[in-house]
Amino acid sequence: DAGITQSPRHKVTETGTPVTLRCHQTENHRYMYWYRQDPGHGLRLIHYSYGVKDTDKGEVSDGYSVSRSKTEDFLLTLESATSSQTSVYFCAISERVTYEQYFGPGTRLTVT
Amino acid sequence: AQSVAQPEDQVNVAEGNPLTVKCTYSVSGNPYLFWYVQYPNRGLQFLLKYITGDNLVKGSYGFEAEFNKSQTSFHLKKPSALVSDSALYFCAVPSGAGSYQLTFGKGTKLSVIP
Repeated sequence: DAGITQSPRHKVTETGTPVTLRCHQTENHRYMYWYRQDPGHGLRLIHYSYGVKDTDKGEVSDGYSVSRSKTEDFLLTLESATSSQTSVYFCAISERVTYEQYFGPGTRLTVT
Repeated sequence: AQSVAQPEDQVNVAEGNPLTVKCTYSVSGNPYLFWYVQYPNRGLQFLLKYITGDNLVKGSYGFEAEFNKSQTSFHLKKPSALVSDSALYFCAVPSGAGSYQLTFGKGTKLSVIP
């Protein structure tokens, strides 16, 4: 999975609790992305980053925040988890000149 | 906004037969197009991309894709399917002209039957 790790790989949490997912890359790629994958919806972009401390919203950003304090780490936080945020979350990285993105193994999050 | 559509949720093909997974696109200007594959419980893997040039693009694992401008299609093909090709396939396009974000189709589940 192209030097990308995600942690945790699985998490079960209760509604209303905060959750942070971590993406770590060893490729020194500038761009990083968080997606969620749900049946019937494909992949939808939550947030992305185009450099350290430079982030922006994607298609489904409500209820999520991100931070990137180092090139290699991109954190996704659910401030107060809801059942609708039960999903599989993928991190991806890319370099602009090649466009293609490389994905991590995913985190399966269940909010009960 | 640029978009792709995958008209088939599922494709079944017998092992050894040729396979096609369909994708159509809607873009302004010259399209950049991508195919990804997702095996069970794994992240997406890049298969191939079309930027410009030859209409037939070769990629990983024996896959190729045919770009057809008049039909606005970018179908994924393989001459002889393997059981191990069974997976979820996504086509993708940059979200806007000059954008480095990708918009993905909803995916097509390919099942290769022994």
